[in-house]
Amino acid sequence: AQKVTQAQTEISVVEKEDVTLDCVYETRDTTYYLFWYKQPPSGELVFLIRRNSFDEQNEISGRYSWNFQKSTSSFNFTITASQVVDSAVYFCALLGNTGGFKTIFGAGTRLFVKA
Amino acid sequence: DVKVTQSSRYLVKRTGEKVFLECVQDMDHENMFWYRQDPGLGLRLIYFSYDVKMKEKGDIPEGYSVSREKKERFSLILESASTNQTSMYLCASSPQGRALAKNIQYFGAGTRLSVL
Repeated sequence: AQKVTQAQTEISVVEKEDVTLDCVYETRDTTYYLFWYKQPPSGELVFLIRRNSFDEQNEISGRYSWNFQKSTSSFNFTITASQVVDSAVYFCALLGNTGGFKTIFGAGTRLFVKA
Repeated sequence: DVKVTQSSRYLVKRTGEKVFLECVQDMDHENMFWYRQDPGLGLRLIYFSYDVKMKEKGDIPEGYSVSREKKERFSLILESASTNQTSMYLCASSPQGRALAKNIQYFGAGTRLSVL
């Protein structure tokens, strides 16, 4: 069975703090993709990043960075110098090659960034 | 820009009513999805479609049906709404039907449905 666990339900930080959102996944697929999506208060989930199972290189995009570690089945997301606009619900998701088109989403982590 | 449009942001219906939630995408995507989002449960897949007139059950299809008569439109139907179907419903689409790598999903803004 495939599963995505985001153990942090809510996180609250003060602006300019760094924050890491944890994601742990389970799959028996050899080929799979991991995603992060952001859901701002407007409601529309927005794609942030996709990483395939054969590429463990970390990625940095501005203040965002992602750490993919197959050995611990984790795909963590760090926001550096957080801003109020980062306040949102963040979802980690998994798509495996035996799941058809079914993307499995975690329960989400709600991030509050206070000014 | 890809646009996925859901017909209503908020909807209030009564128990037993038949409810239609409409979703339209403008990027010629093969795949379309309906999810419901509940606190602490994340997104759960209700139904998806990978082609016109094709549909497959997701994880929680009971009490729902879908229709895809045209590529750009995917409708979710609650045959007889019940209070436990009060939720946020999200529609999504993705390109390149069978290419796993392409399955980035594009979401609508959601419909918050209340069943009284």
